[in-house]
Amino acid sequence: KQEVTQIPAALSVPEGENLVLNCSFTDSAIYNLQWFRQDPGKGLTSLLLIQSSQREQTSGRLNASLDKSSGRSTLYIAASQPGDSATYLCACPRSGGGADGLTFGKGTHLIIQP
Amino acid sequence: GAGVSQSPRYKVAKRGQDVALRCDPISGHVSLFWYQQALGQGPEFLTYFQNEAQLDKSGLPSDRFFAERPEGSVSTLKIQRTQQEDSAVYLCASSLGRLQETQYFGPGTRLLVL
Repeated sequence: KQEVTQIPAALSVPEGENLVLNCSFTDSAIYNLQWFRQDPGKGLTSLLLIQSSQREQTSGRLNASLDKSSGRSTLYIAASQPGDSATYLCACPRSGGGADGLTFGKGTHLIIQP
Repeated sequence: GAGVSQSPRYKVAKRGQDVALRCDPISGHVSLFWYQQALGQGPEFLTYFQNEAQLDKSGLPSDRFFAERPEGSVSTLKIQRTQQEDSAVYLCASSLGRLQETQYFGPGTRLLVL
């Protein structure tokens, strides 16, 4: 059974800092890994999806890396802004396959101080 | 284009009442997922449909939970004889259905059972 852990659970940093969010998973036989953002009272917004054949994906100030062998992924946020404040969730397919439900971590609650 | 929509957005039920939650996926999306998110936790998988077929219902917490997608588009999650522990946000997601596809989430239905 896939288990996903995210560290830290919460993080508060001043605006402008670069930061790294960590995600680890127990079953390395995954097809992909996805990072989401969740704002209070809202649904999830997909940020990045990394295929198992890729090592990283970039979108604007966000960069996600994937190391299947060690069961780890990181989300790097450059030049953080107050608008980046949200909960960030990491998720993997439950059974390794693509068209299946996801197993989520508990998330990292991020606060960017103006 | 239109995203995933869910209704109602908020539902208050008395313990023992039946509730029905609706999900309208993105048009053309074959796969549909239901998740339950408790306060401060990541979403937990409930069930998965491919078109009208329910391929996995292993995450449904009890036989009081029932989901259907009779025509392969709109889905309904029904909870019978609601209990206080059913209070959570219920999220619906859809994807094109091919392997390694991004899941797109709706805003969720926040259920409070008194």
